[in-house]
Amino acid sequence: DAKTTQPNSMESNEEEPVHLPCNHSTISGTDYIHWYRQLPSQGPEYVIHGLTSNVNNRMASLAIAEDRKSSTLILHRATLRDAAVYYCILIWNYGGSQGNLIFGKGTKLSVKP
Amino acid sequence: NAGVTQTPKFQVLKTGQSMTLQCAQDMNHEYMSWYRQDPGMGLRLIHYSVGAGITDQGEVPNGYNVSRSTTEDFPLRLLSAAPSQTSVYFCASSYSSSSNQPQHFGDGTRLSIL
Repeated sequence: DAKTTQPNSMESNEEEPVHLPCNHSTISGTDYIHWYRQLPSQGPEYVIHGLTSNVNNRMASLAIAEDRKSSTLILHRATLRDAAVYYCILIWNYGGSQGNLIFGKGTKLSVKP
Repeated sequence: NAGVTQTPKFQVLKTGQSMTLQCAQDMNHEYMSWYRQDPGMGLRLIHYSVGAGITDQGEVPNGYNVSRSTTEDFPLRLLSAAPSQTSVYFCASSYSSSSNQPQHFGDGTRLSIL
């Protein structure tokens, strides 16, 4: 199973951009890169996903390295509501069924006013 | 849209008791799954289902049963509760089991086993 490596924690100032890195050097050609976040006392929330090309949505941008061994989640203007644990996940084909998420410990993002 | 609804939100059990955690989704999603999250840890997959009538085991299935008689509901049963099953339980659903589908999570059930 492909693994990801993320920093344990990061800090940001409010209204500044945040770049959350993720290394996945053992990624296979068919693995999608997903990002989820978990606010305190809530369930995980889908943020964004991609395969090879950079992706943008209303929440964030995902920059994927050309060799796909790393990716970066970009929050363009951090707000206090973005303080959460961010998980970078590669979809693992478990028992013939894709779509099962393998969660690591993620990066805890703190946002200072 | 209600999304994924889990009940109850909190529960305290005694060792040896059984109970069922409920999960319902109103998005007509085929794929549903159960995870547990222990303090300071990421989520771990317990069981999953790719459609009504089909279930399979995840990473940590021991002590839990599931069934999927309808598309909407995916209950998780604890057969004989043990203190090691104290955790927060999350249910998730997605349109299909394809790896490019985002998953939608409920708000969790916080379970304590005494």
